Amino acid sequence: KAGVTQTPRYLIKTRGQQVTLSCSPISGHRSVSWYQQTPGQGLQFLFEYFSETQRNKGNFPGRFSGRQFSNSRSEMNVSTLELGDSALYLCASSLGPGHGYTFGSGTRLTVV
Amino acid sequence: KQEVTQIPAALSVPEGENLVLNCSFTDSAIYNLQWFRQDPGKGLTSLLLIQSSQREQTSGRLNASLDKSSGRSTLYIAASQPGDSATYLCAVKETSGSRLTFGEGTQLTVNP
Repeated sequence: KAGVTQTPRYLIKTRGQQVTLSCSPISGHRSVSWYQQTPGQGLQFLFEYFSETQRNKGNFPGRFSGRQFSNSRSEMNVSTLELGDSALYLCASSLGPGHGYTFGSGTRLTVV
Repeated sequence: KQEVTQIPAALSVPEGENLVLNCSFTDSAIYNLQWFRQDPGKGLTSLLLIQSSQREQTSGRLNASLDKSSGRSTLYIAASQPGDSATYLCAVKETSGSRLTFGEGTQLTVNP
C-alpha cells in the first residue's frame, strides 16, 4: 500500500518568488493536512482539507494557501517567499475523524 | 488553547534499558493522542494511536498509556536498541477541531 507522497523533496527558491508543493494521500484517505516544521517553532498546523473543502486553518498569513482536488491530492502554495518560510513542510492524510494520521517524507524548502 | 509539553527534551541511555517518555496536555477534551518518531531530516512515522476512551495501546516493545483526566500520556520503550535513536513526538487531536497539536519532542539517543 503506497504511503503519502510529497513532491518535490527539496526546493531552493529566492525571496519574493512563489512555490507550489504537492501531496498525494494514501488511497481512500479524503482528509489531507499540512504542517510546517522549523527548529524554533516546532510543528505548526497550516490547514486541513476534506473532500475538496478547507475545514480548518492555522495561524499563518494569507500568503499560504492550499487546495484539494477531486482525487484527494492536495497542493499548497506560498507566495512572496520570505527567508522565514524556510522549513520542512509535511503533509498528512487520514481516513477521517477517529483515525490517526500518516505523514509523508516532507518537502524541504530553502529560501535564499 | 491546547498546549503539549514533552519531558525530557533529550535523553541518552545505554542499550538494553527500559525507558519512559512523558507527554502532558492542558485541555483534556481530546479525540485521541498519537505518538510519532522522526529520524533526522525525515517525515514522521506513526507509532501508536490511543483513542480518548482507551487507557493504553501496545505495539511490540512499545506501550503507550493515556490518562485523559490528568492530561498525561507516557510512551514506554522496553529493551532499547540503537535503532530506537530518534526524536519522539506526541500529538493530540482535540474534539473541537481537526488539527493535531504537537509537543516539542524528546530526542532519544541509545548508545551501543
